[in-house]
Amino acid sequence: SQQGEEDPQALSIQEGENATMNCSYKTSINNLQWYRQNSGRGLVHLILIRSNEREKHSGRLRVTLDTSKKSSSLLITASRAADTASYFCATDAGAGSYQLTFGKGTKLSVIP
Amino acid sequence: SAVISQKPSRDICQRGTSLTIQCQVDSQVTMMFWYRQQPGQSLTLIATANQGSEATYESGFVIDKFPISRPNLTFSTLTVSNMSPEDSSIYLCSVAVGTGQETQYFGPGTRLLVL
Repeated sequence: SQQGEEDPQALSIQEGENATMNCSYKTSINNLQWYRQNSGRGLVHLILIRSNEREKHSGRLRVTLDTSKKSSSLLITASRAADTASYFCATDAGAGSYQLTFGKGTKLSVIP
Repeated sequence: SAVISQKPSRDICQRGTSLTIQCQVDSQVTMMFWYRQQPGQSLTLIATANQGSEATYESGFVIDKFPISRPNLTFSTLTVSNMSPEDSSIYLCSVAVGTGQETQYFGPGTRLLVL
């Protein structure tokens, strides 16, 4: 089945630095989303990028999508300690499906 | 957006018992989803629960083990039956909202430990 695969699995940076996480998937999609999860709690939706978009911004977040390579990246600029969390990409199954398939996630640690 | 609550937030259960998890949404939604997140892992979809129809289960999940109720547009329950230590996970419900119902909003999760 289709699945997003993030890399790196874990990332540790200093506060103020930028953090980049990557996601790859296997089949055609309508959109790709990024979610954040703090300490095993519920997921928070961050941003959605559609298959016909190449880049999207939201505050300190920048997401890119390359459908030819079936990959996406999430950039968090000027990171803060509060950004410490696990980040997951999620892809839909296409063809009007509302189900999401989540990648394995990147665990980001921002050191104050 | 939607605000979702889950009960209980966590529980410790004995092998062989069952636990029912409740999911309450602050608005009427058609589609609700139940996920399992095993320790250190990503989310795996258990089933889709639409009001007025039987839940649709994903491969590897069966109704006898994870019965789901969806009595109205704001509420759902997931029961984890005949539990074993392998069922120790975080269980999350989510709802699909928005124009295309593409974005999902998640509850805070129920952390289950089975001894």
